[in-house]
Amino acid sequence: EIVLTQSPDFQSVTPKEKVTITCRASQSIGSSLHWYQQKPDQSPKLLIKYASQSFSGVPSRFSGSGSGTDFTLTINSLEAEDAATYYCHQSSSLPLTFGQGTKVEIK
Amino acid sequence: EVQLVESGGGLVKPGGSLRLSCAASGFTFSSYSMNWVRQAPGKGLEWVSSISSSSSYIYYADSVKGRFTISRDNAKNSLYLQMNSLRAEDTAVYYCASSIAAAGDRFDYWGQGTLVTVSS
Repeated sequence: EIVLTQSPDFQSVTPKEKVTITCRASQSIGSSLHWYQQKPDQSPKLLIKYASQSFSGVPSRFSGSGSGTDFTLTINSLEAEDAATYYCHQSSSLPLTFGQGTKVEIK
Repeated sequence: EVQLVESGGGLVKPGGSLRLSCAASGFTFSSYSMNWVRQAPGKGLEWVSSISSSSSYIYYADSVKGRFTISRDNAKNSLYLQMNSLRAEDTAVYYCASSIAAAGDRFDYWGQGTLVTVSS
């Protein structure tokens, strides 16, 4: 099983600040890495597919990068509505696995 | 607009059974792979099962293999999860999720979830 480790677990950020969340895979997964946003009491939403491709309708301040074992989700100029928990997810091999999540709080 | 509406959750005793449903609309259901992902209270996301558009490919997490069965009815635009031999650790919100990609890939759209509580 591929283990995904996100860092940090929690981040408190002021609006307009840049946020960087990393996801490290226990073995190489190519670009089979996706990012989701889950706001409190809501279902998750796909933000980035295959490491760097923005999903339909996602604001341009969200971007992804990386390949192999190290990946990054970047939120440029954080907005109050971005308060959420962010999860990475790998689809390189079964079982599909998720990172433990990174909670982003707005100061 | 893509809509996924789960139903069938509730309180069930350990060892009991439950059948979850997911009604899909707003897209060509028969062309999409479908998935179940769960989230225990206050915890992270856990993949449960995936099924390809024509039901040719079906995958399960080890934690539910042999107890849960995923199925779909393309004529009714519906996805199902039959859950047997339920355990306390199956307590979670169960989400259905669709994807234009192959089964066992990403999750494009998610429903609002249905809560399953396994307790005596």
